Amino acid sequence: GEDVEQSLFLSVREGDSSVINCTYTDSSSTYLYWYKQEPGAGLQLLTYIFSNMDMKQDQRLTVLLNKKDKHLSLRIADTQTGDSAIYFCAEIYNQGGKLIFGQGTELSVKP
Amino acid sequence: EAGVVQSPRYKIIEKKQPVAFWCNPISGHNTLYWYRQNLGQGPELLIRYENEEAVDDSQLPKDRFSAERLKGVDSTLKIQPAELGDSAVYLCASSSGLADDNEQFFGPGTRLTVL
Repeated sequence: GEDVEQSLFLSVREGDSSVINCTYTDSSSTYLYWYKQEPGAGLQLLTYIFSNMDMKQDQRLTVLLNKKDKHLSLRIADTQTGDSAIYFCAEIYNQGGKLIFGQGTELSVKP
Repeated sequence: EAGVVQSPRYKIIEKKQPVAFWCNPISGHNTLYWYRQNLGQGPELLIRYENEEAVDDSQLPKDRFSAERLKGVDSTLKIQPAELGDSAVYLCASSSGLADDNEQFFGPGTRLTVL
């Protein structure tokens, strides 16, 4: 069955880089996503990567995909206090179908 | 452009009572999803609609949960009767349904507390 795993917590200092890791099991996933959830808010799509790509960069965000190891990471450069939130990794299970989410990584950014 | 709208934002009920949640998706979005997010977990799909048709309801506990999207726009999710374990955030999402655009846009959710 499909499963997505993430570490639960990450704490960094303001200005440092953050790296959030994720592993997944469904090798047929076509897209992999990173969502951000702030307290009391819904999920906001940050970025996504197509499964035939190794890397995608979008301003301060870099996504790395190792399809062989089924490992996905999100790097946030120059992390700010406003980046404090819960970050969810997700994969699409069947085209246009349901998203399978990890349990979320809580990022805490200290001044 | 308005995002996905959900109401109510918060609901507190006693167990065995019924409860209903409402969702208005982004205009023109044919696909609508209901997810449940338990505390400390990621969201899990309950049901997915393509227009008015429920195309995936395999994770919906059908003994107490029901959903409808009669005109292919707004949707309602109902629980009757509610149990303590139903306390969670219920998220609605929508997407265009186009083959090259599968981004799901999420509403703010309804936080349900069952006492």
